[in-house]
Amino acid sequence: SQQGEEDPQALSIQEGENATMNCSYKTSINNLQWYRQNSGRGLVHLILIRSNEREKHSGRLRVTLDTSKKSSSLLITASRAADTASYFCALEDAGNMLTFGGGTRLMVKP
Amino acid sequence: ETGVTQTPRHLVMGMTNKKSLKCEQHLGHNAMYWYKQSAKKPLELMFVYNFKEQTENNSVPSRFSPECPNSSHLFLHLHTLQPEDSALYLCASSQVEEQETQYFGPGTRLLVL
Repeated sequence: SQQGEEDPQALSIQEGENATMNCSYKTSINNLQWYRQNSGRGLVHLILIRSNEREKHSGRLRVTLDTSKKSSSLLITASRAADTASYFCALEDAGNMLTFGGGTRLMVKP
Repeated sequence: ETGVTQTPRHLVMGMTNKKSLKCEQHLGHNAMYWYKQSAKKPLELMFVYNFKEQTENNSVPSRFSPECPNSSHLFLHLHTLQPEDSALYLCASSQVEEQETQYFGPGTRLLVL
């Protein structure tokens, strides 16, 4: 199984700004998912994008997937202090197993 | 509240102790997972149960012993752990056929002294 690599590892922005996180991977995937984790808590699913999709939206979240570059990005628009958390990409392979990346720690300052 | 509960939420144990972590899902899912999350390391998949049968064991030391008595409950039995086993242990569940989301519990924060 492969692991996604997230970039940046940490991001600090002001409230109201947009936050962009990237995930790169090496082999083929069924889908790519983004999860959020508040400090010391469980992960919460945010959005899933399938390998045949290029872009998906959910509220203030926008996810893109470029299978030719094997990369995905998560954009959070008009960020809020409550968006402070770690964000993980997870790759689902042909065996339906999820492998998580190391995460991006996002800090949104009020 | 994701529909997956874990107990205890915090656990401190000595290296000679035996303890168990419990996970329960109220979502009607047919797959359950144990993950280990250590500081500054990616989430590591430990065990997978599909329809109560263990399908994955990612080279986890035998001091961790999973048990899945039914599709709603999952246990992780711990014995003679090492300090490096201190971590957040996360349980998750999913519906296998839907190739979709995993729902996570809040985790058990384990400290091994």
